[in-house]
Amino acid sequence: NAGVTQTPKFQVLKTGQSMTLQCAQDMNHEYMSWYRQDPGMGLRLIHYSVGAGITDQGEVPNGYNVSRSTTEDFPLRLLSAAPSQTSVYFCASTWSANTGELFFGEGSRLTVL
Amino acid sequence: AQSVAQPEDQVNVAEGNPLTVKCTYSVSGNPYLFWYVQYPNRGLQFLLKYITGDNLVKGSYGFEAEFNKSQTSFHLKKPSALVSDSALYFCAVMTTDSWGKFQFGAGTQVVVTP
Repeated sequence: NAGVTQTPKFQVLKTGQSMTLQCAQDMNHEYMSWYRQDPGMGLRLIHYSVGAGITDQGEVPNGYNVSRSTTEDFPLRLLSAAPSQTSVYFCASTWSANTGELFFGEGSRLTVL
Repeated sequence: AQSVAQPEDQVNVAEGNPLTVKCTYSVSGNPYLFWYVQYPNRGLQFLLKYITGDNLVKGSYGFEAEFNKSQTSFHLKKPSALVSDSALYFCAVMTTDSWGKFQFGAGTQVVVTP
């Protein structure tokens, strides 16, 4: 039982490049979400999904796309990276939104030059 | 709109002394409140939650938190801190008006000295 797995752990991009951060969970969780963590700002919700085929925007969705074609996977796409997207990204999941016990991945550190 | 405030960037406490990490919230609707802990270079780990019922909730590693509706607070407490409790602590809130939209505070760094 691997829990929540994020790849890659580290990535350096140039401005304008695109990439996808992968997130997979093996706990049959319905709810999945993406956060970014910046110093002094806590975690800010980017996008979330309450089930396969359903996604919604969080607090800071601009510049990011998501899809949820399976229960297990919730990739985060950066279409045209900007230096402001330099951050640590966390994927989290739980059985349903009202349980609140989020299980987090180890994080992906992204630097945009 | 919902928001969470953690008024202290850092809390310093000596090992064996009581530890308190403060959290206040502002929501419309009934709050679901949570505490998480983050160790260096790791993801967050769940500590405890308040959904309904008893205002005092107990969680992992000897932590507890008290929900105070009149003061809109959910402070995290531990009677006797350990050096291993040194970490970054986050309060989070969600409401039935915003299912799935967890709002996190900025975090409080706890430093426990021997």
